[in-house]
Amino acid sequence: AQSVTQLDSHVSVSEGTPVLLRCNYSSSYSPSLFWYVQHPNKGLQLLLKYTSAATLVKGINGFEAEFKKSETSFHLTKPSAHMSDAAEYFCVVIQNVSGGTSYGKLTFGQGTILTVHP
Amino acid sequence: EPEVTQTPSHQVTQMGQEVILRCVPISNHLYFYWYRQILGQKVEFLVSFYNNEISEKSEIFDDQFSVERPDGSNFTLKIRSTKLEDSAMYFCASSEQLAGGGEQYFGPGTRLTVT
Repeated sequence: AQSVTQLDSHVSVSEGTPVLLRCNYSSSYSPSLFWYVQHPNKGLQLLLKYTSAATLVKGINGFEAEFKKSETSFHLTKPSAHMSDAAEYFCVVIQNVSGGTSYGKLTFGQGTILTVHP
Repeated sequence: EPEVTQTPSHQVTQMGQEVILRCVPISNHLYFYWYRQILGQKVEFLVSFYNNEISEKSEIFDDQFSVERPDGSNFTLKIRSTKLEDSAMYFCASSEQLAGGGEQYFGPGTRLTVT
């Protein structure tokens, strides 16, 4: 079975400073990993995904994440925070079982609330 | 940009009542999902649906729950006899193909409150 741990429930940064949201995963087989963002009263929006191609993945709005198998991590970063980045962020894993079938079950981390101060 | 929609945004019901949560997935998507998030807890997978049948369901998805695609556009989640512990935010999602390659697009959620 797969699982995800987001190491911080809240992260607070100043506008213009770097953002780091930490995520560790466990998976029996090669996983696909995602970061989703949820702004208030909005649906979950995909930021980026890792699906066994390049280990450094670039997403929307300047976010990127690096898949590190040796550390079982998939941390989300952004060089310079913007006020509009304030939201809740979810690290998500899906396990690609032998034979390539997963039926789409996503496993979520508990979420990290990002606050951006002026 | 196409999006997943859900109605209602908030549903209040009494314990023991039936509720139907509605979702309109993105029109060319073939795979449909329901997730829920109890306040303060993780988002949890409930069920996936493809080709008019359930592909996978979690332990949460017991006989009180059912899903249906009654027409070409709607995807519904029915809870037959609601319990207090069913109070949660329910998210619908759809994808063009199965994840891991296919990303899931989520709706804004329906907040269900059972009193």
